[in-house]
Amino acid sequence: NAGVTQTPKFRVLKTGQSMTLLCAQDMNHEYMYWYRQDPGMGLRLIHYSVGEGTTAKGEVPDGYNVSRLKKQNFLLGLESAAPSQTSVYFCASSHLYEQYFGPGTRLTVT
Amino acid sequence: TQLLEQSPQFLSIQEGENLTVYCNSSSVFSSLQWYRQEPGEGPVLLVTVVTGGEVKKLKRLTFQFGDARKDSSLHITAAQPGDTGLYLCAGYYGNNRLAFGKGNQVVVIP
Repeated sequence: NAGVTQTPKFRVLKTGQSMTLLCAQDMNHEYMYWYRQDPGMGLRLIHYSVGEGTTAKGEVPDGYNVSRLKKQNFLLGLESAAPSQTSVYFCASSHLYEQYFGPGTRLTVT
Repeated sequence: TQLLEQSPQFLSIQEGENLTVYCNSSSVFSSLQWYRQEPGEGPVLLVTVVTGGEVKKLKRLTFQFGDARKDSSLHITAAQPGDTGLYLCAGYYGNNRLAFGKGNQVVVIP
């Protein structure tokens, strides 16, 4: 039982490049989330999903897209990366109130 | 946006001392959670408090939910170096979403 896993762990992008972050959970949770964590800003919700095939915007959705084609996977896409998207990205899943987090992806955009 | 303010932002104490950190909001939450995050890892849930006035204990950690369900505190008795970490409070605000505070960075010096 791996819980929540994230791929990749680290990535460096140039401005304007695109990439996809993959999150996978093996707990059969309905809800999944993408957060970003920046110094002094705490965890901010980017997008979330309440079930397979659904997505919704969170607090800071601009510049990101998501897809939930399978219940166990939640993908976060950056179509044209900007330096302001340099951050640590966390995926989480939940059944009820309690969220389980992945180990994070550290993304640097130069 | 549901605002949660945590204080103090940073706290450094000697091993064996006690400490208390706080999480305050102007909003009422149906439940509040505390997570601990260690460097390079995702947050890990410590406790969920649901009822106003509720007190929960987890070994040397004591969590209290305010009577009005707007605030919470975390007290650590006889702190150990293993208690070092970023403590995050999070309030539930509907559709399985959490609003996070910016965290209390605790450092316990051996």
